[in-house]
Formats: sequence, C-alpha cells, structure tokens
Amino acid sequence: GDSVTQMEGPVTLSEEAFLTINCTYTATGYPSLFWYVQYPGEGLQLLLKATKADDKGSNKGFEATYRKETTSFHLEKGSVQVSDSAVYFCAVRGGNTDKLIFGTGTRLQVFP
Amino acid sequence: DGGITQSPKYLFRKEGQNVTLSCEQNLNHDAMYWYRQDPGQGLRLIYYSQIVNDFQKGDIAEGYSVSREKKESFPLTVTSAQKNPTAFYLCASSPPGQGGPEAFFGQGTRLTVV
Repeated sequence: GDSVTQMEGPVTLSEEAFLTINCTYTATGYPSLFWYVQYPGEGLQLLLKATKADDKGSNKGFEATYRKETTSFHLEKGSVQVSDSAVYFCAVRGGNTDKLIFGTGTRLQVFP
Repeated sequence: DGGITQSPKYLFRKEGQNVTLSCEQNLNHDAMYWYRQDPGQGLRLIYYSQIVNDFQKGDIAEGYSVSREKKESFPLTVTSAQKNPTAFYLCASSPPGQGGPEAFFGQGTRLTVV
C-alpha cells in the first residue's frame, strides 16, 4: 500500500540556517504530495503541495519539488526563523483513491 | 465561517467504556478522515470515508467504529476493544480527489482513559 518515509527528528538549527527535511513515498498511479505543519496543541495546516512530477510547491519561504524518478518530496528553506519551530509532516494522496497517508513527522527546533 | 469542528477538546473516560468523538464540517467536502497521533508515531489512519454511507478501514481500524449518515458528520467511536485508546485524535475533510486537493483538519480531541 501507499506509504511515506520521513527523516527522524528532532532537527535542531540556529536561526538563518538552511533546512532540509527528507521525504520519500510509495504510491500507485499519480499521487499528490503534501507538506503539513503542526504547532503545539493544534491540528495540521497545509504548508505546500504538488500534484504532478516536477511541480514545485512553495509557501512562506519553504519549497519542495515532486521528483518522480527518486519518489521524493524533500522540504527546504534557505533561512529558518525561530517561529518555524514545529512538527512537519509529509503526506501522499494516492492517485486512485482519496486515501491520505502521513509520515511520522519531523520536529524542527530553531534557536536564536 | 467554514471549517471542521471536533468536540470535545479534552475527554476523559474510564477503562472499558465506549466513547464517541464528534467531527462536523460545513465545507461541503465529500471525503472525511480520522487519524490517531501518538508521540513519535506520526498520524496513523483509522478510517476514511469518500462519500455518505460508505467508509473504509485505514491502517489501525481495530477497536474503532465509524458512521457516515450525513455528509457533514463523521463520528468515531472508540470501543472497549481498543487496547490503548489514550491518544490525540484528529479529524480531516477534503474535496474529491481530482487535482490533489488538500485536507483540512480540526483542532483535535485528546482522549485519556483512566
């Protein structure tokens, strides 16, 4: 079945450092890919998405490119801020169903 | 305002009791989902529904039951057969699958069984 593998956290960075969180997926058909963010005690919010190969999703300085050849959707940001501290989830929505599967999440901690 | 409402935010129940978590959406979405979140395990899919009166098991459906009698509502019952029910439960909804629509989440219900 569909699955998502994310790098384990926590990821600890200083403010203005470069961020990469790796994500790879397994899915049938032509899946859509997502990154969600969760702040403490809250539900999840969509950060960005991509719906076909080579699409780049971007939002708030974060980017991720849908790489079908490597089945990856790595999240990047050039300069993180303390306010980016949260848990980040990669997700895949199968091409043939509405089933939406999440990775285990990666906690990001940014220090001033 | 459109959105997803989960209630209650905190729920305490005695071991062996069934408990039902509410999820209501006014976004006119067809698909709805229930996830369980435990520390270090991410979100695991319990059940999902693509349309009224139809639902499918996710990866950890044992000990849970759902119904989808109305488009707006997708309640989750945690039964006494669920061996470790204490967790954070998240409900989500989404439009149908063409073009990769995003899912919208409620604020979650934290269930504690004592």
